[in-house]
Amino acid sequence: QVQLVESGGGLVKPGGSLRLSCAASGFTFSDYYMSWIRQAPGKGLEWVSYISSSGSSIYYADSVKGRFTISRDNAKNSLYLQMNSLRVEDTAVYYCARVAAEYSSDYWGQGTLVTVSS
Amino acid sequence: SYVLAQPPSVSVAPGKTARITCGGNNIGSKSVHWYQQKPGQAPVLVIYYDSDRPSGIPERFSGSNSGNTATLTISRVEAGDEADYYCQVWDSSSDHVVFGGGTKLTVL
Repeated sequence: QVQLVESGGGLVKPGGSLRLSCAASGFTFSDYYMSWIRQAPGKGLEWVSYISSSGSSIYYADSVKGRFTISRDNAKNSLYLQMNSLRVEDTAVYYCARVAAEYSSDYWGQGTLVTVSS
Repeated sequence: SYVLAQPPSVSVAPGKTARITCGGNNIGSKSVHWYQQKPGQAPVLVIYYDSDRPSGIPERFSGSNSGNTATLTISRVEAGDEADYYCQVWDSSSDHVVFGGGTKLTVL
């Protein structure tokens, strides 16, 4: 069965960096686009970034462009999110998700919490 | 940027029909997806391509999309349907994924 397991969250100071990972299993990872989607405490869902199956196409939300970098390693069935220059407003649960028809997300991980605080 | 508007809350009695709307400029020309999220859990896709159901989603969940409004309809509502519901589209003009603000469904 499809499984997505995020890791790498934690507490970081404003201006700091963090790298999230998402380990995928149960499907042919290299066939799918993948996304990062976040949810601030008590708030709604916010799309962060997606990457094409080969990694050649990448898009970011305006709120993270220039600070976050999405990448993938198809040999390791893994998705990553490098987060730099973190701000308090980046505090959220970060989900990785498999992209399906018309950019829907058909499978989600359980999420990893990133807290940016001094 | 493209904006999706959802009512913050909808209330319905058990056994009745709940309708959750998602408004956007000419949203009928886009494919709309819907997610259910229960407290402390990851979202679950319940409708994609406006009205298709993933396997395992009850037939009580249906969707429609026309003009400036897409609608998620939940028939014969059960207590277990109480959750937050989000609509989502892909904005081709910006290559961005867009979520609505979410609607909290309360089963009375």
